[in-house]
This record gives sequence, C-alpha cells and structure tokens, in this order.
Amino acid sequence: AAGVIQSPRHLIKEKRETATLKCYPIPRHDTVYWYQQGPGQDPQFLISFYEKMQSDKGSIPDRFSAQQFSDYHSELNMSSLELGDSALYFCASSLGSETNYGYTFGSGTRLTVV
Amino acid sequence: KNEVEQSPQNLTAQEGEFITINCSYSVGISALHWLQQHPGGGIVSLFMLSSGKKKHGRLIATINIQEKHSSLHITASHPRDSAVYICAVLSNFGNEKLTFGTGTRLTIIP
Repeated sequence: AAGVIQSPRHLIKEKRETATLKCYPIPRHDTVYWYQQGPGQDPQFLISFYEKMQSDKGSIPDRFSAQQFSDYHSELNMSSLELGDSALYFCASSLGSETNYGYTFGSGTRLTVV
Repeated sequence: KNEVEQSPQNLTAQEGEFITINCSYSVGISALHWLQQHPGGGIVSLFMLSSGKKKHGRLIATINIQEKHSSLHITASHPRDSAVYICAVLSNFGNEKLTFGTGTRLTIIP
C-alpha cells in the first residue's frame, strides 16, 4: 500500500543556505502535518494544511514557510538555515481535519546544517 | 508539567518478557496514538484509540478515558521490538495536531 513519501531522506546544507523538503501524502488524504524533532527531543508541531489552506500553525520560525499544492503534496521551505535547524522533519497525512481520522507518518527527512 | 507523560523513560528487558509502557495525559482528547520510532527516525503508527482496547499481533493497547491513562503492552518481547515508543494525543479542541509524550526507549536483550 502507498505510504507517505518524503524527500529527500537526508540533506546536508551549510549555514545560511535554503532547503526545501517535500511530503507526498497517501492518495486521497487531504491534510498534511509537519513536525520537527531535534536530537533527543520530542517532536514539535510546525504547521498543517487542509485542502490547500493552512489549518494550524505551531512553533514554525519565520524563516520557514510551507504550502500545500493542488495534488495535496506539501513543501516546507527553510531559508537562512541555522545550526539549530538540524533535525528530523517528518510529515503525516490524514483524511479530513474535523474528525480524528488516523494519521500516517512519513519516514522523515534528516536535515543536517553544517 | 507536560500534557502527555510516559513511564518509564527507559526500559531494558530480556527477550520473552511482558512489557508495559504507560501514558497519562491531562487534557481532554478525542484520540490517542501509540507510535514506534526506530533508530534513524521513521515513525510507525501502531494504534489509534478512543476507547477500550485494541490488539495487533503481540501488541495490545488499552485506554481509560475517565482516568486519562493508556497502556501499551508487548507480549513475548523480541530484540526487534527495541525502539522508542511514543504516546501522542489528539485534543478535542477542534485542531488536529498531535501532542507527543517524551517517549519510552525500550531495549530487548537476547
């Protein structure tokens, strides 16, 4: 069965560079959530989209932006990267944002900023 | 105080032992997830519960809504069960983002 696909799996960037992470939800899922997990830390919610509109916003820095496209895939754009941005970024998708449908998680993108 | 707390934080057991991981939460929820995270980071959703009990293979998850408590049990544990197990709750305030517990690092020794 198709799962949530994230790309790339690994990414190494230098400070002040930009990075774009991609998330392809399960077919028919219309909601995407982005989370950031620093080394040894709990996952932190960044932002979510439902039907291509931002539905909720968490602790996402102003240097980051995200959007959901017409095919429901989402991209997280990160600019002026800092060493502290090194983390595992994973996304999850679900069907609907009004009820507690199950989540499916991607494998994550590990970003290393050097 | 975290909204979602897990215990124990670390657990080491011998292969074959019965494992219990506990999760307590302080907010009203519409659902609770048990997740498994292996080294390297990928997260797998094991269960989503809103009441009662679910079983999948050697894994059993229970939830008591009145007591705001859930448990994840692993029977006949195996070294491949070694991972971080995370409890995450979906609040009933209308938004759908998860609040994560701090995780329990489980190590099963052969």
